Amino acid sequence: EPEVTQTPSHQVTQMGQEVILRCVPISNHLYFYWYRQILGQKVEFLVSFYNNEISEKSEIFDDQFSVERPDGSNFTLKIRSTKLEDSAMYFCARGEENPNEKLFFGSGTQLSVL
Amino acid sequence: AQTVTQSQPEMSVQEAETVTLSCTYDTSESDYYLFWYKQPPSRQMILVIRQEAYKQQNATENRFSVNFQKAAKSFSLKISDSQLGDAAMYFCAYSRSGTYKYIFGTGTRLKVLA
Repeated sequence: EPEVTQTPSHQVTQMGQEVILRCVPISNHLYFYWYRQILGQKVEFLVSFYNNEISEKSEIFDDQFSVERPDGSNFTLKIRSTKLEDSAMYFCARGEENPNEKLFFGSGTQLSVL
Repeated sequence: AQTVTQSQPEMSVQEAETVTLSCTYDTSESDYYLFWYKQPPSRQMILVIRQEAYKQQNATENRFSVNFQKAAKSFSLKISDSQLGDAAMYFCAYSRSGTYKYIFGTGTRLKVLA
């Protein structure tokens, strides 16, 4: 059984629409991450999240993006006003207290912006 | 800025043979961690092996071992006795000590031939 479940597995949206990607960890963990992979390119770090706060974010993670864990379970990535270049595979991961230990990844959400 | 380079987009190996995947990285840091992650068709990335930069001894996990050359900034993965289940995309990754951000390479697709 996977440590991290992501929903949906595929999401298609129109340019300019808002999307919410969800990540559901099985255990009560505190350290979460979002990464994305544009087709044929490298996996890129977006943001890390600990104790209901962003602990680190990349240059990609601008005002268009936001993360939250509103119910103490689901960890969400919201993309406001999606752009064509937001099309990518988005991976959620959870980590350990030591950030350099292994990451447990979900199986990803393929986002297609038309 | 730190970078990770995987120069082999695709590799093939005969079942039961040995294959080596290459990875080089660039950093000015002395304390960091290196990883190999496997991404099978299920898309969920799984940690294969982890190396702490301050340890000279190469990490080993069953059929998987690394050749860590710190001075050359090289971190190759050797897979011995290759199995059909080893077929996947393999990503090399770097993480500076104490940071939540992982930097990934572009990946190497490994095909295992029966």
